[in-house]
Amino acid sequence: QKEVEQDPGPLSVPEGAIVSLNCTYSNSAFQYFMWYRQYSRKGPELLMYTYSSGNKEDGRFTAQVDKSSKYISLFIRDSQPSDSATYLCAMSTGGYNKLIFGAGTRLAVHP
Amino acid sequence: SQTIHQWPATLVQPVGSPLSLECTVEGTSNPNLYWYRQAAGRGLQLLFYSVGIGQISSEVPQNLSASRPQDRQFILSSKKLLLSDSGFYLCAWTNTGEGGYTFGSGTRLTVV
Repeated sequence: QKEVEQDPGPLSVPEGAIVSLNCTYSNSAFQYFMWYRQYSRKGPELLMYTYSSGNKEDGRFTAQVDKSSKYISLFIRDSQPSDSATYLCAMSTGGYNKLIFGAGTRLAVHP
Repeated sequence: SQTIHQWPATLVQPVGSPLSLECTVEGTSNPNLYWYRQAAGRGLQLLFYSVGIGQISSEVPQNLSASRPQDRQFILSSKKLLLSDSGFYLCAWTNTGEGGYTFGSGTRLTVV
């Protein structure tokens, strides 16, 4: 079993839709949870960062962490074609320990 | 502000040739440095990481090696490339201790 599981998609939605991206994990020691966005042929860029459980909102993006279920989500409201990218979840136990990445979900938002 | 530079952006190399990819970080000191490889349609595979000059930890035994000759310089090398070494190589750094990495723009390596 992988430490972090993420459906690779692809996920195709119409412009304006609400997008839900998810990851599950097995290591209960994870405390730091991140979402990265990666455009084609580019390096990943940090999109959202959450410590422990709860929600965090930044514009059209909301990150949720449910540590009891070992489940994290990223919601994108009013999705735009410019949101078309691969979204990778990542998590760490902290203290300079390594980030563990999911496989990434490819999202396509069509006009 | 901190920046990370990675070069070259694209590289086509024949099987059996050597490899040297370089990564430098500016605007910070004593960063943790990482080399990742991303195969087409796959996730990120950690290859090497370093917490200080001359210190290298290897995650996956393979045809590659890494070195950190200076505080903000990280080099990925190979003496003889294999076809299986093709992929997208990413350098990353952090110094927050909270896990968030900043990635470079990557090198797309094709071994022919």
